[in-house]
Amino acid sequence: AQTVTQSQPEMSVQEAETVTLSCTYDTSESDYYLFWYKQPPSRQMILVIRQEAYKQQNATENRFSVNFQKAAKSFSLKISDSQLGDAAMYFCAYRSSYGTYKYIFGTGTRLKVLA
Amino acid sequence: GAGVSQTPSNKVTEKGKYVELRCDPISGHTALYWYRQSLGQGPEFLIYFQGTGAADDSGLPNDRFFAVRPEGSVSTLKIQRTERGDSAVYLCASSLLPRTGGGEQYFGPGTRLTVT
Repeated sequence: AQTVTQSQPEMSVQEAETVTLSCTYDTSESDYYLFWYKQPPSRQMILVIRQEAYKQQNATENRFSVNFQKAAKSFSLKISDSQLGDAAMYFCAYRSSYGTYKYIFGTGTRLKVLA
Repeated sequence: GAGVSQTPSNKVTEKGKYVELRCDPISGHTALYWYRQSLGQGPEFLIYFQGTGAADDSGLPNDRFFAVRPEGSVSTLKIQRTERGDSAVYLCASSLLPRTGGGEQYFGPGTRLTVT
């Protein structure tokens, strides 16, 4: 069975600085997708970025980028120029390319942005 | 509406009562998922619908939990004989057919269920 681990329960970053959130996963599959979701206090899960396992190039979305290391089964999220609005819970999620496509989530990292 | 909607936003019920939680997915999304998020945890999968049928209900914790999607759109999660351990946020998500592209799921705001 696949598992997702987020080992940082909480992280802090100064406004305008850069922070990296860690995620590791375990799978025997070769084809899958990885996602980072943001969950503010409103509870709404918002997609931040996604990565297809078959793509070697790391995904980027504006200030958000990932470092995808397939062999190491690592998928970290880098947030550049942090803003107060980035403060939230961040969840890493795994989705197989087979079966029922359900997400497997990590336990989350709470990001605090300091003014 | 533009996004996934869930009603009610909050539900408080007494132990032993029956509750129904509703999810209205994005129009045109054939896949629908229910997750449960306990305090301090990530969401955990409950059930997946493709159209009207439950394609995977392996995450339902026991037979007190049941979900339907009779017309392939709105879904209802039903919990019988509620227990205090059922208290959590119940999230619904929808997506296009997962085999097309990344099949990323779009989430609703959740229903916070409190069993007293």
